Amino acid sequence: IAGITQAPTSQILAAGRRMTLRCTQDMRHNAMYWYRQDLGLGLRLIHYSNTAGTTGKGEVPDGYSVSRANTDDFPLTLASAVPSQTSVYFCASSDGTGGDTQYFGPGTRLTVL
Amino acid sequence: GQNIDQPTEMTATEGAIVQINCTYQTSGFNGLFWYQQHAGEAPTFLSYNVLDGLEEKGRFSSFLSRSKGYSYLLLKELQMKDSASYLCAVRDRDYKLSFGAGTTVTVRA
Repeated sequence: IAGITQAPTSQILAAGRRMTLRCTQDMRHNAMYWYRQDLGLGLRLIHYSNTAGTTGKGEVPDGYSVSRANTDDFPLTLASAVPSQTSVYFCASSDGTGGDTQYFGPGTRLTVL
Repeated sequence: GQNIDQPTEMTATEGAIVQINCTYQTSGFNGLFWYQQHAGEAPTFLSYNVLDGLEEKGRFSSFLSRSKGYSYLLLKELQMKDSASYLCAVRDRDYKLSFGAGTTVTVRA
């Protein structure tokens, strides 16, 4: 079934640890995005990639890094997790053309203690 | 950047109509999206407006006025399954989305 998958579904992490959230899409979409969703704040863009090999910073990029080695995968890495990074993380993709819609993965619930 | 406002919560009765308003201020408007998000799930696409006017899709309609920086999502013949959060999102000229905080709609029998 075509779509976006994310792993893990949920994770509890000790502060200071490194963590990579995985995102894979099989729709051959050019653009991919990482958001975090916090109560009362809505979805905020962390990083994005308009095409394989390129990445850009969103609204809240500090403490996060991404890579886009190929079209399908867009991992998000927390180099040294802090409690303020406790959130639900959503990956999304779109075909990157004029009227395109972003489609979201199921999310990863991350708790940093 | 974008500044997007929508009400926090709304309650309506099954079978009724609810209108969710969204106002925005933007430095480069390139379309407005509405998403539905059930608790614990991912947002799913509902509608897209880039020109002024009304877009109708079954029980859901979305309206846009670019000059007023205003949109609304109209939900008709409300059903219990429509209880969810509704997210207004504005796209900029770089195709990035900025989201409002969402409106939680509760449908009561």
